[in-house]
Amino acid sequence: ETGVTQTPRHLVMGMTNKKSLKCEQHLGHNAMYWYKQSAKKPLELMFVYNFKEQTENNSVPSRFSPECPNSSHLFLHLHTLQPEDSALYLCASSQDRGQGSSPLHFGNGTRLTVT
Amino acid sequence: AQSVAQPEDQVNVAEGNPLTVKCTYSVSGNPYLFWYVQYPNRGLQFLLKYITGDNLVKGSYGFEAEFNKSQTSFHLKKPSALVSDSALYFCAVRERIGGFKTIFGAGTRLFVKA
Repeated sequence: ETGVTQTPRHLVMGMTNKKSLKCEQHLGHNAMYWYKQSAKKPLELMFVYNFKEQTENNSVPSRFSPECPNSSHLFLHLHTLQPEDSALYLCASSQDRGQGSSPLHFGNGTRLTVT
Repeated sequence: AQSVAQPEDQVNVAEGNPLTVKCTYSVSGNPYLFWYVQYPNRGLQFLLKYITGDNLVKGSYGFEAEFNKSQTSFHLKKPSALVSDSALYFCAVRERIGGFKTIFGAGTRLFVKA
């Protein structure tokens, strides 16, 4: 059983819809991440939060809006998406104590289809 | 800028044979190197990491990896492959640029044939 839970597992939305992806980690970690996984492409880092503060925004379009209310929860708010945004969105967490040697713990992802 | 290359899209091996999944990296400082595995409809799972010390690191499910600084490589190995090892494998490098950033390779699909 993963210590990182993502909901929903599957989401189909139209281009004019607004939806949110949710991630919760039960590991006591202080850093959380959103990654995008598309077919035949490397994982793309989207956002990084450390102690609820955003430390990385990897040139992600504004139609993706992250929110991190506390160290255990991470949201990705979606609006006016494009069909090319269809992908598996993965949330991850890690315990960063200033050394960077901790591995990432991933959720099982949300499979997003934009119609 | 840091980068990770996995030169093989796919590796095929017979069950019981040794397997190698290749990875090379490029970083400006000392690398933290990782291997992850992804099974269908699941997220990535951590297999092993190299931080410092012995160049041969051992991880989960009988996997090991060899760090080679001169060749900037970190190949994943297993002495005897199982059909259940069939999955997508990712090499990753972590470096401090502001905060810590993990960059993944494109992934290598491993097929183990019975």
